[in-house]
Amino acid sequence: AQSVTQLGSHVSVSEGALVLLRCNYSSSVPPYLFWYVQYPNQGLQLLLKYTTGATLVKGINGFEAEFKKSETSFHLTKPSAHMSDAAEYFCAVSKTSYDKVIFGPGTSLSVIP
Amino acid sequence: EAGVTQFPSHSVIEKGQTVTLRCDPISGHDNLYWYRRVMGKEIKFLLHFVKESKQDESGMPNNRFLAERTGGTYSTLKVQPAELEDSGVYFCASSSGRSSPLHFGNGTRLTVT
Repeated sequence: AQSVTQLGSHVSVSEGALVLLRCNYSSSVPPYLFWYVQYPNQGLQLLLKYTTGATLVKGINGFEAEFKKSETSFHLTKPSAHMSDAAEYFCAVSKTSYDKVIFGPGTSLSVIP
Repeated sequence: EAGVTQFPSHSVIEKGQTVTLRCDPISGHDNLYWYRRVMGKEIKFLLHFVKESKQDESGMPNNRFLAERTGGTYSTLKVQPAELEDSGVYFCASSSGRSSPLHFGNGTRLTVT
Protein backbone atom coordinates (compact mmCIF):
# COMPACT_ATOMS: atom_id res chain seq x y z
CA ALA A 1 0.00 0.00 0.00
CA GLN A 2 1.06 3.54 -0.62
CA SER A 3 1.24 6.21 2.07
CA VAL A 4 2.60 9.69 2.63
CA THR A 5 3.88 11.43 5.72
CA GLN A 6 4.56 15.13 6.06
CA LEU A 7 6.73 16.32 8.90
CA GLY A 8 5.16 19.29 10.63
CA SER A 9 1.48 20.12 10.38
CA HIS A 10 2.32 23.81 10.70
CA VAL A 11 5.42 25.63 9.45
CA SER A 12 6.16 29.33 9.86
CA VAL A 13 8.82 31.20 7.93
CA SER A 14 9.76 34.83 7.59
CA GLU A 15 9.15 36.62 4.34
CA GLY A 16 12.23 36.14 2.17
CA ALA A 17 13.39 33.04 4.03
CA LEU A 18 13.81 29.56 2.63
CA VAL A 19 10.72 27.38 2.54
CA LEU A 20 11.26 23.67 3.20
CA LEU A 21 8.30 21.33 3.50
CA ARG A 22 9.13 17.71 4.13
CA CYS A 23 7.49 14.69 2.55
CA ASN A 24 8.28 11.00 2.80
CA TYR A 25 6.40 8.26 1.05
CA SER A 26 6.11 4.53 0.94
CA SER A 27 5.29 2.67 -2.23
CA SER A 28 5.70 -0.87 -3.50
CA VAL A 29 6.08 0.36 -7.07
CA PRO A 30 7.96 3.29 -8.58
CA PRO A 31 5.83 6.19 -7.45
CA TYR A 32 4.37 9.18 -9.13
CA LEU A 33 4.75 12.07 -6.71
CA PHE A 34 2.90 15.35 -6.47
CA TRP A 35 2.68 18.53 -4.46
CA TYR A 36 -0.64 20.30 -4.31
CA VAL A 37 -1.45 23.64 -2.72
CA GLN A 38 -4.77 24.82 -1.34
CA TYR A 39 -5.32 28.52 -0.83
CA PRO A 40 -8.15 29.58 1.48
CA ASN A 41 -11.60 28.83 0.08
CA GLN A 42 -10.16 27.35 -3.09
CA GLY A 43 -9.63 23.91 -4.54
CA LEU A 44 -6.39 21.98 -4.75
CA GLN A 45 -3.92 23.22 -7.33
CA LEU A 46 -1.05 21.17 -8.69
CA LEU A 47 2.32 22.74 -7.87
CA LEU A 48 4.54 20.13 -9.47
CA LYS A 49 4.83 16.43 -10.18
CA TYR A 50 7.48 13.77 -10.59
CA THR A 51 6.84 10.89 -12.95
CA THR A 52 10.15 9.69 -14.39
CA GLY A 53 13.42 11.19 -15.48
CA ALA A 54 15.05 14.20 -13.85
CA THR A 55 14.78 13.98 -10.09
CA LEU A 56 14.71 17.74 -9.55
CA VAL A 57 11.32 19.00 -10.57
CA LYS A 58 10.43 22.65 -11.00
CA GLY A 59 6.90 23.83 -10.48
CA ILE A 60 4.85 26.98 -10.47
CA ASN A 61 5.46 30.02 -8.29
CA GLY A 62 9.16 29.28 -7.85
CA PHE A 63 8.72 25.96 -6.04
CA GLU A 64 10.77 22.88 -6.72
CA ALA A 65 11.09 19.40 -5.27
CA GLU A 66 13.69 16.68 -5.45
CA PHE A 67 12.90 12.99 -5.65
CA LYS A 68 15.36 10.98 -3.58
CA LYS A 69 14.66 7.30 -3.95
CA SER A 70 17.23 6.22 -1.35
CA GLU A 71 15.54 8.42 1.24
CA THR A 72 11.99 7.87 -0.06
CA SER A 73 11.59 11.64 0.10
CA PHE A 74 10.12 14.39 -2.04
CA HIS A 75 10.73 17.60 -0.11
CA LEU A 76 9.37 20.89 -1.42
CA THR A 77 11.50 24.02 -1.39
CA LYS A 78 11.38 27.64 -2.40
CA PRO A 79 14.38 29.95 -1.94
CA SER A 80 12.47 33.01 -0.80
CA ALA A 81 9.02 32.98 0.77
CA HIS A 82 6.37 35.50 -0.25
CA MET A 83 3.32 36.46 1.75
CA SER A 84 1.19 34.97 -1.03
CA ASP A 85 2.69 31.53 -0.34
CA ALA A 86 0.65 31.19 2.85
CA ALA A 87 -1.53 28.15 2.20
CA GLU A 88 -1.85 24.46 2.94
CA TYR A 89 0.45 22.14 1.06
CA PHE A 90 -0.19 18.48 0.36
CA CYS A 91 2.28 15.87 -0.79
CA ALA A 92 0.71 12.99 -2.66
CA VAL A 93 1.59 9.70 -4.34
CA SER A 94 0.01 7.45 -6.93
CA LYS A 95 0.90 4.31 -8.85
CA THR A 96 0.36 5.90 -12.23
CA SER A 97 -0.33 9.39 -13.52
CA TYR A 98 -4.08 8.73 -13.63
CA ASP A 99 -4.57 6.34 -10.72
CA LYS A 100 -6.11 7.50 -7.47
CA VAL A 101 -3.91 9.89 -5.55
CA ILE A 102 -3.04 9.22 -1.91
CA PHE A 103 -2.57 12.41 0.04
CA GLY A 104 -0.44 13.24 3.03
CA PRO A 105 -1.97 15.03 6.01
CA GLY A 106 -0.93 18.46 4.79
CA THR A 107 1.33 21.23 6.08
CA SER A 108 -0.04 24.67 6.75
CA LEU A 109 2.51 27.32 5.82
CA SER A 110 2.45 30.74 7.46
CA VAL A 111 4.64 33.57 6.19
CA ILE A 112 5.57 36.21 8.73
CA PRO A 113 6.22 39.73 7.44
CA GLU B 1 -11.32 26.27 -20.43
CA ALA B 2 -13.83 26.13 -17.61
CA GLY B 3 -12.58 24.34 -14.52
CA VAL B 4 -14.18 21.66 -12.41
CA THR B 5 -17.38 23.00 -10.92
CA GLN B 6 -18.97 21.78 -7.73
CA PHE B 7 -22.21 22.78 -6.10
CA PRO B 8 -23.44 23.64 -3.73
CA SER B 9 -20.39 25.27 -2.22
CA HIS B 10 -21.87 24.83 1.24
CA SER B 11 -24.62 22.63 2.61
CA VAL B 12 -25.97 22.42 6.12
CA ILE B 13 -28.38 19.59 6.85
CA GLU B 14 -29.70 17.73 9.85
CA LYS B 15 -28.75 14.22 10.76
CA GLY B 16 -30.96 11.77 8.90
CA GLN B 17 -31.59 14.02 5.94
CA THR B 18 -30.41 13.44 2.39
CA VAL B 19 -27.94 15.58 0.48
CA THR B 20 -26.81 15.41 -3.12
CA LEU B 21 -23.56 16.94 -4.24
CA ARG B 22 -22.86 17.62 -7.87
CA CYS B 23 -19.64 17.81 -9.85
CA ASP B 24 -19.22 19.03 -13.41
CA PRO B 25 -15.81 17.98 -14.71
CA ILE B 26 -13.81 19.75 -17.36
CA SER B 27 -15.39 19.04 -20.73
CA GLY B 28 -13.87 15.98 -22.36
CA HIS B 29 -12.35 14.58 -19.18
CA ASP B 30 -13.22 10.91 -18.94
CA ASN B 31 -11.76 10.43 -15.46
CA LEU B 32 -13.67 11.79 -12.49
CA TYR B 33 -12.70 11.35 -8.85
CA TRP B 34 -14.37 12.09 -5.54
CA TYR B 35 -12.38 12.82 -2.40
CA ARG B 36 -13.33 14.11 1.02
CA ARG B 37 -11.60 15.71 3.93
CA VAL B 38 -13.15 15.25 7.29
CA MET B 39 -12.25 17.98 9.77
CA GLY B 40 -8.64 17.72 10.89
CA LYS B 41 -7.95 14.58 8.92
CA GLU B 42 -6.42 13.64 5.61
CA ILE B 43 -7.93 14.00 2.18
CA LYS B 44 -9.30 10.56 1.44
CA PHE B 45 -10.11 8.99 -1.91
CA LEU B 46 -13.72 7.91 -2.34
CA LEU B 47 -14.08 6.66 -5.90
CA HIS B 48 -12.99 6.96 -9.52
CA PHE B 49 -15.16 6.99 -12.63
CA VAL B 50 -13.95 6.36 -16.14
CA LYS B 51 -16.72 7.76 -18.26
CA GLU B 52 -19.88 6.35 -16.67
CA SER B 53 -18.24 3.28 -15.15
CA LYS B 54 -16.94 2.98 -11.61
CA GLN B 55 -13.26 2.12 -11.97
CA ASP B 56 -12.48 2.04 -8.27
CA GLU B 57 -14.90 2.58 -5.40
CA SER B 58 -12.70 1.19 -2.68
CA GLY B 59 -12.84 4.41 -0.67
CA MET B 60 -16.61 4.66 -0.31
CA PRO B 61 -17.19 4.50 3.44
CA ASN B 62 -20.52 2.66 3.52
CA ASN B 63 -23.75 2.08 1.65
CA ARG B 64 -25.17 5.44 2.70
CA PHE B 65 -23.05 6.93 -0.07
CA LEU B 66 -24.14 6.57 -3.68
CA ALA B 67 -22.23 8.02 -6.60
CA GLU B 68 -23.45 8.19 -10.15
CA ARG B 69 -22.17 9.60 -13.39
CA THR B 70 -24.90 9.87 -15.94
CA GLY B 71 -23.75 9.58 -19.53
CA GLY B 72 -20.16 10.07 -18.49
CA THR B 73 -20.63 13.77 -17.92
CA TYR B 74 -21.49 15.25 -14.54
CA SER B 75 -21.47 13.21 -11.37
CA THR B 76 -23.55 13.24 -8.21
CA LEU B 77 -22.72 11.98 -4.77
CA LYS B 78 -25.72 11.31 -2.56
CA VAL B 79 -25.53 10.78 1.17
CA GLN B 80 -28.65 9.14 2.61
CA PRO B 81 -29.21 9.31 5.51
CA ALA B 82 -26.53 11.74 6.58
CA GLU B 83 -24.69 11.21 9.85
CA LEU B 84 -22.66 13.66 11.92
CA GLU B 85 -19.37 12.04 10.87
CA ASP B 86 -20.13 12.80 7.23
CA SER B 87 -19.33 16.47 7.82
CA GLY B 88 -16.34 17.66 5.87
CA VAL B 89 -15.27 19.01 2.50
CA TYR B 90 -16.02 16.91 -0.55
CA PHE B 91 -13.72 17.47 -3.51
CA CYS B 92 -14.21 16.42 -7.08
CA ALA B 93 -11.39 16.17 -9.61
CA SER B 94 -11.15 15.27 -13.26
CA SER B 95 -8.45 14.38 -15.73
CA SER B 96 -8.23 13.54 -19.39
CA GLY B 97 -6.24 10.37 -18.79
CA ARG B 98 -2.66 9.18 -18.98
CA SER B 99 -0.04 11.73 -18.00
CA SER B 100 -2.74 14.25 -17.30
CA PRO B 101 -2.84 15.81 -13.84
CA LEU B 102 -5.95 15.96 -11.72
CA HIS B 103 -7.87 19.23 -11.80
CA PHE B 104 -9.77 19.86 -8.59
CA GLY B 105 -12.94 21.78 -7.92
CA ASN B 106 -13.30 24.15 -4.97
CA GLY B 107 -15.15 21.55 -2.96
CA THR B 108 -18.48 21.34 -1.18
CA ARG B 109 -18.41 21.95 2.55
CA LEU B 110 -21.00 19.68 4.14
CA THR B 111 -22.10 20.23 7.71
CA VAL B 112 -24.40 17.70 9.36
CA THR B 113 -25.97 18.92 12.60
